[in-house]
Formats: sequence, C-alpha cells, structure tokens
Amino acid sequence: KQEVTQIPAALSVPEGENLVLNCSFTDSAIYNLQWFRQDPGKGLTSLLLIQSSQREQTSGRLNASLDKSSGRSTLYIAASQPGDSATYLCAVKWGSGGSYIPTFGRGTSLIVHP
Amino acid sequence: GAGVSQSPSNKVTEKGKDVELRCDPISGHTALYWYRQSLGQGLEFLIYFQGNSAPDKSGLPSDRFSAERTGGSVSTLTIQRTQQEDSAVYLCASSLRRTGMFGYTEAFFGQGTRLTVV
Repeated sequence: KQEVTQIPAALSVPEGENLVLNCSFTDSAIYNLQWFRQDPGKGLTSLLLIQSSQREQTSGRLNASLDKSSGRSTLYIAASQPGDSATYLCAVKWGSGGSYIPTFGRGTSLIVHP
Repeated sequence: GAGVSQSPSNKVTEKGKDVELRCDPISGHTALYWYRQSLGQGLEFLIYFQGNSAPDKSGLPSDRFSAERTGGSVSTLTIQRTQQEDSAVYLCASSLRRTGMFGYTEAFFGQGTRLTVV
C-alpha cells in the first residue's frame, strides 16, 4: 500500500531556529512530491514541487530535498519566524496504474514562538 | 481565473438535506481532485477527474456522494441525505496535465468549503 508519513506530528521552536520537517513514503517509484502549507481554517498553499528526477528545490528560506532510494523528503526552514507557524503537508504522486493522485501525509503542525 | 475557486465557503445544513459544493479550477487545468478534511484528520481523497471523466472514484465514502464535471471545467460535488459525519472541509485542487518527462505539474488548492451538518 502506498502511504505517506510525516514526523513529528507537532513541533514548537523559538524564533530564529533552523528546522527540518520529515516526510517518508512507501514505494520509491514516485512521480513527484509536493510540500504545502495550511494555515488554520484555510486551504493549502503550494510551497515546493520536486520531480522524481530532481534531488532538491529551493524557495527563499525553504529547501526541500528528495531521496527516493530511502523513501524520504525533508523540508528545511531556515531562520524560522512566527509567521511560519502553520501545518506543513507532504503529498506524493505515484504513477503506477496511471492514478497520479496526490496522497497526503497527516502533516506537521509547527509553532514558532517569539 | 487566477486560482481555484470554491463555493460556498461555508455551508450549514440540516441532517437529511442535500448539498452541492462547487469548484472552479484554474483555466486550462485538466486534472481536478476532491478531498475531504475532517477535524484533526488528514486529507482524504474522494474523486479525481481527468477532463470530464472520473477514472478514480474509489474515495467516495458512500453512494450518497457523487460528483460531476462539465466542459472540462467546473465540478460539482453532491452529498445527498447529509449526515453529521459528513461535516468537514471539502477541498478541491487542479493541476495541468502535461505529457513528457515531468508529467503533471503541481496541484493548486482552493480555500475549501466548510460543511456543517446539524
């Protein structure tokens, strides 16, 4: 079964810390992997998309890496700020069977306190 | 449009009534997905459209749930005889199908419809 797991479920850090959020997936034959941010009561905002042929993507203070062989992706947030507080979701697309449907992890709830 | 648009943003309905939720995807996006997010839960896949056809309906929780898409654009998710357990945020996403090495591009989500069944 193709599953996505995110650890930790919740994280609280002081402002300024560099932090790493983890996403692991079964079945390394992924199509792509996407990181999202969700603020309370809101929809999902796309942060970074990594194709299966890529190893990392960067946007501002965010860096996402992909290691298919170990079934892992990490989202690195540099110099965290209170405005980064949100739930971070990882979604994986597998192409097997032609489904291409993003499967989501349960998310990591991040609080950055001043 | 500039983004994925969902309406209504909030819906309160009485148990047993039917509801319709609407999703307007980004113009030109051929793939459309419906998900459900219950309080404290992850995103639960409901149904996927490619154009007007739904190759995967495996996530629909019961036959009270149905969805259609017309003109390769707007999609409607209908819940008949709503139950309290249907209360959740219903999210719609779209992506541009593109053949070749990179296949599908990233998925973009709407703000969701918060459904409350009382």
